Amino acid sequence: IQLTQTPSFQSSSIGDRVTITCRASQGINSYLAWYQQKPGKAPKLLISDASTLQSGVPSRFSGSGSGTEFTLTINSLQPEDFATYYCQQLTSHPLTFGGGTKVEIK
Amino acid sequence: QVQLVQSGTELKKPGSSVKVSCKASGGTFSRLPISWIRQTSGQDLEWMGGIIPILHLVNYAESFQGRVTISADESTNTTYMELTSLRSEDTAVYYCATNSGTEYGADDFWGQGTLVTVS
Repeated sequence: IQLTQTPSFQSSSIGDRVTITCRASQGINSYLAWYQQKPGKAPKLLISDASTLQSGVPSRFSGSGSGTEFTLTINSLQPEDFATYYCQQLTSHPLTFGGGTKVEIK
Repeated sequence: QVQLVQSGTELKKPGSSVKVSCKASGGTFSRLPISWIRQTSGQDLEWMGGIIPILHLVNYAESFQGRVTISADESTNTTYMELTSLRSEDTAVYYCATNSGTEYGADDFWGQGTLVTVS
């Protein structure tokens, strides 16, 4: 299953709302996770099951969608949110990731 | 809280093999669904395969079939990923990762990563 993330690059300012889309090549129900990765670090799980926020993740992060189209939204972007974001499908092997969206400071 | 600690940086020649270890603590090792994931310099993340020791289950991504072996030693709470016939394109950071559930993916616990350079 291929995952296509858009955009691949996002230039935004502090306080902006950012929306990242992940499209699956076939339906995956809600078996989608979102990760945040900062340079030199392992990915950090933000959201599972498309919309379940992990413990300790700020509420400005939210996920939605099912089937083939999913969205990660960051409300009121904070300095610590500048990172690369990836989606991952869990429906079938091999598990696959989207190509990533790098969120940078405008 | 599960912690995963991986072995150190490796420099390998083309055609050789590498074996990376991942030692788990803080959880019931045999029940952990442990994935191996690599990240190339282009930042793409690639799931290589995984193991669930209690089920004696090992899964591999087809693109690595025949070149990768994932194993587990329950006596030391350690999993291993061995990749053979190395080529320059295998240069990447290799991660082990797991979660509190019963299936692979949506991993909230990651190792620190092991850089493997093939040159």
